[in-house]
Amino acid sequence: SSELTQDPAVSVALGQTVRITCQGDSLRSYYASWYQQKPGQAPVLVIYGKNNRPSGIPDRFSGSSSGNTASLTITGAQAEDEADYYCNSRDSSGNHDVVFGGGTKLTVL
Amino acid sequence: QVQLQESGPGLVKPSETLSLTCTVSGGSISSYYWSWIRQPPGKGLEWIGYIYYSGSTNYNPSLKSRVTISVDTSKNQFSLKLSSVTAADTAVYYCARLARHAVGNWFDPWGQGTLVTVSS
Repeated sequence: SSELTQDPAVSVALGQTVRITCQGDSLRSYYASWYQQKPGQAPVLVIYGKNNRPSGIPDRFSGSSSGNTASLTITGAQAEDEADYYCNSRDSSGNHDVVFGGGTKLTVL
Repeated sequence: QVQLQESGPGLVKPSETLSLTCTVSGGSISSYYWSWIRQPPGKGLEWIGYIYYSGSTNYNPSLKSRVTISVDTSKNQFSLKLSSVTAADTAVYYCARLARHAVGNWFDPWGQGTLVTVSS
């Protein structure tokens, strides 16, 4: 199917580690990419491929994948990491080719 | 580095055609895929479609009957047309470069986005 499922909201204490997950059949065939979106701003790519960070993205962001689940891990969450996070993948069913998850609102306490 | 900038009317009447252009600066539009993505107010991201610099396209099946994406390599621009719009098409529209690989795809960079409101 052409869907990626994310938890609507996740919270983490300042300085702690948080994992944001994304589930979907397409993730058995393709890696997810992850985007951070702060209010009023465009999304920013934070993780792509197996576990790659674009230039300028802190190394506290990492990605992993197992079966039909991809994860974005923030190790030592900072206040500035509070944002919406979206996953994205190619669609293995071939219809959509591109699919986004519904997004996860991360709150840093 | 490559930068993208959306332009076009911020207000479109119902049943009319929404037209936006994305201008690519700091690099060539050639040899890449380019995409449009939208985000209704308070909601998530929706992929609209993409175009290769050569002109081949792929659209979201849910929008395919109303969408046309074109490219003008001489101007380093690509464009979106969405016909027969309704209030449900009110959204921030983003353009982005799409990296499309065998292991997956990703969008980077993105334009700043432009809000298009459908209203009479």
